[in-house]
Amino acid sequence: DGGITQSPKYLFRKEGQNVTLSCEQNLNHDAMYWYRQDPGQGLRLIYYSQIVNDFQKGDIAEGYSVSREKKESFPLTVTSAQKNPTAFYLCASSISFGTVYGYTFGSGTRLTVV
Amino acid sequence: LAKTTQPISMDSYEGQEVNITCSHNNIATNDYITWYQQFPSQGPRFIIQGYKTKVTNEVASLFIPADRKSSTLSLPRVSLSDTAVYYCLVASLSGNTGKLIFGQGTTLQVKP
Repeated sequence: DGGITQSPKYLFRKEGQNVTLSCEQNLNHDAMYWYRQDPGQGLRLIYYSQIVNDFQKGDIAEGYSVSREKKESFPLTVTSAQKNPTAFYLCASSISFGTVYGYTFGSGTRLTVV
Repeated sequence: LAKTTQPISMDSYEGQEVNITCSHNNIATNDYITWYQQFPSQGPRFIIQGYKTKVTNEVASLFIPADRKSSTLSLPRVSLSDTAVYYCLVASLSGNTGKLIFGQGTTLQVKP
């Protein structure tokens, strides 16, 4: 079955550490996105990629980095510069860059700073 | 992108029809109305999308009046498993607008 796989499901990070969240899709989608969700809040866009080897900052990119070396993969690194990283992170993809195309979301990674 | 406004929360009982209304007064000609559903600790799921009049699929119906300044998501005969957050968004065909903006959504609580 086609879909988006995020791993790990739960991640614990010590203060000062960088961590990388994995996102893999086998839908042959060109566009991929990373969102952050805090309790009781909507989703906020961190980074997005319209096509392989390209990515753009979203609304809250500070303290995060991404790469898009393969069409299938869009990993997100939460760096030590992100002061409040505890949140639920969601990866999504769409067949093409454009909000009219339905987004497919992964099941998320819950990151906790300990 | 056009801003949307929807109720923060709604309660219903099993077997009832639930209608969630969303306003989008500044919707543009090229915009579509899109709804997503999110269960706790999961990613949102695309439910339905429409441009005008009525759209129906196996999950829901979407009613859009002629002026398109509002829309109503209708869930027939809800069950406990329909308890979720429902997001109304405006999706655009025009320009460099590939970013979906999710507000707080409507938290629907279905009671037995």
